[in-house]
Amino acid sequence: IAGITQAPTSQILAAGRRMTLRCTQDMRHNAMYWYRQDLGLGLRLIHYSNTAGTTGKGEVPDGYSVSRANTDDFPLTLASAVPSQTSVYFCASRRGPFTEAFFGQGTRLTVV
Amino acid sequence: DQQVKQNSPSLSVQEGRISILNCDYTNSMFDYFLWYKKYPAEGPTFLISISSIKDKNEDGRFTVFLNKSAKHLSLHIVPSQPGDSAVYFCAASAYNQGGKLIFGQGTELSVKP
Repeated sequence: IAGITQAPTSQILAAGRRMTLRCTQDMRHNAMYWYRQDLGLGLRLIHYSNTAGTTGKGEVPDGYSVSRANTDDFPLTLASAVPSQTSVYFCASRRGPFTEAFFGQGTRLTVV
Repeated sequence: DQQVKQNSPSLSVQEGRISILNCDYTNSMFDYFLWYKKYPAEGPTFLISISSIKDKNEDGRFTVFLNKSAKHLSLHIVPSQPGDSAVYFCAASAYNQGGKLIFGQGTELSVKP
């Protein structure tokens, strides 16, 4: 069982470019989440989805969009990257509200 | 507006002693709380959780305490081991508010041999 997989592992991106971070899980979890980790700020929720076909805004949604066309995939798109979006991005999933979440290995994104 | 706060960025303890990591929250609707451990260049891994109907949950060396009136939870690690050195995050979610999983800023624990 692979669990939850993120791609790419790392990326250097020119400012203004569009970028999609991929996240796939094979656990048939209902809920999925995207976080960014920045020094001193912890893990901040960008967007989430409680089930396929629905999405919601987290704490820092501006500049990001998500879609949840099916249970397994939850891509995160930066429409026009800016340097402040340089961060480590983590995708997570969990079966339901009173269960633990499982995390991917992260994507290190640098916007220059 | 930080709903989950870990006010201590770092903690250093001696091997074999107790480590106590603290977490405060502001949202009284939170009903499920979790602790995660994170090593550099890896994703966070789940440690232990507690629901709001309990005040204590224990799993081996790890115990989580919840004080709902104070909106405070803590993670106790006894005895601490050098391999416990990592960043620890607390997290919380509210079933009636969409189940968003909100994390604190993290506390870096260093266990000295």
